[in-house]
Amino acid sequence: QQPVQSPQAVILREGEDAVINCSSSKALYSVHWYRQKHGEAPIFLMILLKGGEQKGHDKISASFNEKKQQSSLYLTASQLSYSGTYFCGTEIDFGNEKLTFGTGTRLTIIP
Amino acid sequence: DGGITQSPKYLFRKEGQNVTLSCEQNLNHDAMYWYRQDPGQGLRLIYYSQIVNDFQKGDIAEGYSVSREKKESFPLTVTSAQKNPTAFYLCASSIARDTSYEQYFGPGTRLTVT
Repeated sequence: QQPVQSPQAVILREGEDAVINCSSSKALYSVHWYRQKHGEAPIFLMILLKGGEQKGHDKISASFNEKKQQSSLYLTASQLSYSGTYFCGTEIDFGNEKLTFGTGTRLTIIP
Repeated sequence: DGGITQSPKYLFRKEGQNVTLSCEQNLNHDAMYWYRQDPGQGLRLIYYSQIVNDFQKGDIAEGYSVSREKKESFPLTVTSAQKNPTAFYLCASSIARDTSYEQYFGPGTRLTVT
């Protein structure tokens, strides 16, 4: 079953912050985050593992709440380059190397 | 440069014809995947292969077939049995990272069947 992402779409002005949520109905081993520009391949952002710490690089970070079976992606002081569709991919068991992706969150940053 | 190649970028076919999409990687990754992307539906897994000569069905395998005869190649055939084949198709491969793995995606093939 696909994880549920929220919001489905968001429009921000440059410099504003955004939070994108990903919720699963199943217990998770890991959550992966990707960003996709229109017509291009998704690009890997980060992985959060069960029992791991919050991760981040530059002004993009993420957390993983195992009990709630959800992950959140935080974008602070957004830049125009952050525009795109963000997908979470969830992994239930270590070793099967299979992700189930959410339906995506379209983020638009305007000047 | 290492990466994943998908060809062609755009493909047009008549209804009732089988069509094969190419996916090649020179990253020396063991696992490879095929996804289908439709507007508003995210990425849905068609087939995946963790090792040469072995592959598993994903969530929407009906109407598709694959082969994995070489580590570098994982072609996808869209058969005439696929009822709604028009979509954007993405190939990916993966490598272990931090006791999990990271998927690398190809540029995709947009298939239009009329």
